[in-house]
Amino acid sequence: DTAVSQTPKYLVTQMGNDKSIKCEQNLGHDTMYWYKQDSKKFLKIMFSYNNKELIINETVPNRFSPKSPDKAHLNLHINSLELGDSAVYFCASSQAGTLNTEAFFGQGTRLTVV
Amino acid sequence: DQQVKQNSPSLSVQEGRISILNCDYTNSMFDYFLWYKKYPAEGPTFLISISSIKDKNEDGRFTVFLNKSAKHLSLHIVPSQPGDSAVYFCAVISSGSARQLTFGSGTQLTVLP
Repeated sequence: DTAVSQTPKYLVTQMGNDKSIKCEQNLGHDTMYWYKQDSKKFLKIMFSYNNKELIINETVPNRFSPKSPDKAHLNLHINSLELGDSAVYFCASSQAGTLNTEAFFGQGTRLTVV
Repeated sequence: DQQVKQNSPSLSVQEGRISILNCDYTNSMFDYFLWYKKYPAEGPTFLISISSIKDKNEDGRFTVFLNKSAKHLSLHIVPSQPGDSAVYFCAVISSGSARQLTFGSGTQLTVLP
């Protein structure tokens, strides 16, 4: 039973389109994240979100927006896709408030913008 | 400006020998350090961690060492096995409220049979 699941696993789309990536966690965690792994393989935080606050990495364009319908879901919406948005996007979750807050990751969504 | 650096993009080790992966960080406010392992087409999975109040943590074949004065973290795998071949990321958590992970760039470990 997958702890953090993302859909779709692969997404190919044209420039200018709007797309969403869904993420669900069944761990009962209260904090969820989106990370981007770029072509140089760096894993960079985009957002962290719990029911109290959304923290946005200031380098993330406002075309990207997280949407959380409930505590177990954090979807990523991307408007007006650009070629440079091509990357692997990882969703993750953790339980805040404890020291050993290792995050659990989904399998990733490879986004290709053509 | 990378706060967490893994200066070796790759490492090859013979099966049965020790693998040593290194990581340097810049911010003394980091209070928790982790290693993640990543196979191709999968998400990173947690491997082992250490808090800033310790200098060593061991879990089976994996040991993490923390040298706070040098701001240096290392992961030792002994004995190395072919199944250990993966990308290893070190990560840090700052003492802020968000508890976000900041990752290094990763080291590709290849264990040769």
